[in-house]
Amino acid sequence: SNDVTQPPSVSVSPGQTASITCSGDGVKLGDKYICWYQQIAGQSPVVVIFQDNKRPSGIPERFSGSNSGNIGTLTISETQPEDEADYYCQVWDSSTGPVVFGGGTKLTVL
Amino acid sequence: EGQLVESGGALVQPGGSLRLSCAASGFTFSSYWMHWVRQAPGKGLVWVSRISFDGTNTTYADSVRGRFTISRDNAKNMLFLQMDSLRPEDTAVYYCVRDRHSNGFNWGQGTLVTVSS
Repeated sequence: SNDVTQPPSVSVSPGQTASITCSGDGVKLGDKYICWYQQIAGQSPVVVIFQDNKRPSGIPERFSGSNSGNIGTLTISETQPEDEADYYCQVWDSSTGPVVFGGGTKLTVL
Repeated sequence: EGQLVESGGALVQPGGSLRLSCAASGFTFSSYWMHWVRQAPGKGLVWVSRISFDGTNTTYADSVRGRFTISRDNAKNMLFLQMDSLRPEDTAVYYCVRDRHSNGFNWGQGTLVTVSS
């Protein structure tokens, strides 16, 4: 299979650091780019990280990403209440195969 | 950034058909691959189909291959998804998505398809 696995949920206190992982099963993440999307309840997904570690304009600096050892990681430093959302990783592949999303992680800011 | 506006979602009976449309604006539509991605109620994002910038190359998820057809009209900046032989498990919000390559996807607001008797 070409599955990408994320933890179903992560909880963090305001001001603390949240980490969400994305691991591949049959998908070699290390040689592909990872994008991360934030989906606030009732809204469409928005890119927060692309090409493993780049932030689009308008995304706060507290969002960062990495891709190493076949695991991609989204890190949110000094987490704010407004960061509470579902986060999805997407593995970008230049081949013509199917697009792969992770199962999503619900971030709760307690 | 551009805008994507989906339409055509509705309540349809199992076995029925529906055609979704997506109107693109604010960017050069004919330069981008486009996708449909769906999200069942309370579930995650699932890729459905994609089409090349000129419409000559299409790919489908196994779950919809043979039932769904993606197409585009570059002259009118429109993307379509023809959905036939619909099943209850096709119930979802369907998003029109612009593929910005490794820069990620830009998403429309989605349109709800409900398959139920």
